[in-house]
Amino acid sequence: SQTIHQWPATLVQPVGSPLSLECTVEGTSNPNLYWYRQAAGRGLQLLFYSVGIGQISSEVPQNLSASRPQDRQFILSSKKLLLSDSGFYLCAWASDTSSYNSPLHFGNGTRLTVT
Amino acid sequence: SQKIEQNSEALNIQEGKTATLTCNYTNYSPAYLQWYRQDPGRGPVFLLLIRENEKEKRKERLKVTFDTTLKQSLFHITASQPADSATYLCATSGTYKYIFGTGTRLKVLA
Repeated sequence: SQTIHQWPATLVQPVGSPLSLECTVEGTSNPNLYWYRQAAGRGLQLLFYSVGIGQISSEVPQNLSASRPQDRQFILSSKKLLLSDSGFYLCAWASDTSSYNSPLHFGNGTRLTVT
Repeated sequence: SQKIEQNSEALNIQEGKTATLTCNYTNYSPAYLQWYRQDPGRGPVFLLLIRENEKEKRKERLKVTFDTTLKQSLFHITASQPADSATYLCATSGTYKYIFGTGTRLKVLA
């Protein structure tokens, strides 16, 4: 069966520090991968998605970046965190189909607090 | 731009009643609508998907409708239980992107 791992679960970082969040998927190949952010009491904001190794699409210009060094690994990074980067970060995967009806499977998220 | 909206106010209902949540979309015509459940501090979990040519979809106590004329999907939980308390999100998908509504928090009172 497929599983998605996301870590760490919680993170407290000072303003200006770097960030690296990692997500890995097991049990499937060539998944579409996604990073979302959820601010407190708000909806899910799509940050990045990837349909293949090295292919990254950015939805929101900001000081975050994403990389996909391996088929089932997706990394979210920042060189210098801002207070506004605080939030709940969720990684998700979907089957690589062209019919757009695959459900998204989410990890359990990383709660990031920038102080 | 594409927009998907849900009632941001919390919905409180009595145990045993039917909960009905609304999802409205504007400026596009999605081929699919998906519904997810999110518990506090957890990632959303997929519940149901409905296609534009399906008027209704059921799964156990859950029912989803899709009205392309009204540009609306309704999500029903029949015989609701306190364990159904959660935030419910609707989403549309197309061209690899999944756009979510803000979610409606449901609380089922015992």
